[in-house]
Amino acid sequence: AQSVTQPDIHITVSEGASLELRCNYSYGATPYLFWYVQSPGQGLQLLLKYFSGDTLVQGIKGFEAEFKRSQSSFNLRKPSVHWSDAAEYFCAVGAIGDYKLSFGAGTTVTVRA
Amino acid sequence: NAGVMQNPRHLVRRRGQEARLRCSPMKGHSHVYWYRQLPEEGLKFMVYLQKENIIDESGMPKERFSAEFPKEGPSILRIQQVVRGDSAAYFCASSPQGAEETQYFGPGTRLLVL
Repeated sequence: AQSVTQPDIHITVSEGASLELRCNYSYGATPYLFWYVQSPGQGLQLLLKYFSGDTLVQGIKGFEAEFKRSQSSFNLRKPSVHWSDAAEYFCAVGAIGDYKLSFGAGTTVTVRA
Repeated sequence: NAGVMQNPRHLVRRRGQEARLRCSPMKGHSHVYWYRQLPEEGLKFMVYLQKENIIDESGMPKERFSAEFPKEGPSILRIQQVVRGDSAAYFCASSPQGAEETQYFGPGTRLLVL
């Protein structure tokens, strides 16, 4: 069975500093990996996804993520955060034709001035 | 180009009442998924529907919960005789045919059971 672990429940970062959110997954087949962002009271917005190919994936809003098969990880990064990046971030895993996405519990990011 | 639409955004019910949550998929999407997010947890899959068909309801509680996606109109998630434990955010997602793994989410309905 697939599972996703986001080890950090809450991260506080200064505006302009770099951000890295961790995600580890367990999946029997070749995984599809996703990062979603949820702003307060809003739905989930897809930041980026990895299906195959280049293991460094670029997404929207200046985010990128790197797939490391040997570590079963798909960490999300941003070089310089903006106050508007304060939100909850979810990592999810699926597979081709697998509609049951499995989500991690989320990491809440707080941005301080 | 409207995204996935859900209504109501917030719903308050007393124990024993019925809750009806509606979801309109993105234009051109024929697949709808419902997920539930309990406090402090990630989203959990509930049910997958195509027009007039329930494809997989393995994540949905056997009692009191039902879902439909009629030929015309939005998908409906119905919770009968709600209990406090049903309080959660319910998200709908949609995808085009052949790309079921890439799902676009609506804003969610936050259900509070008093």
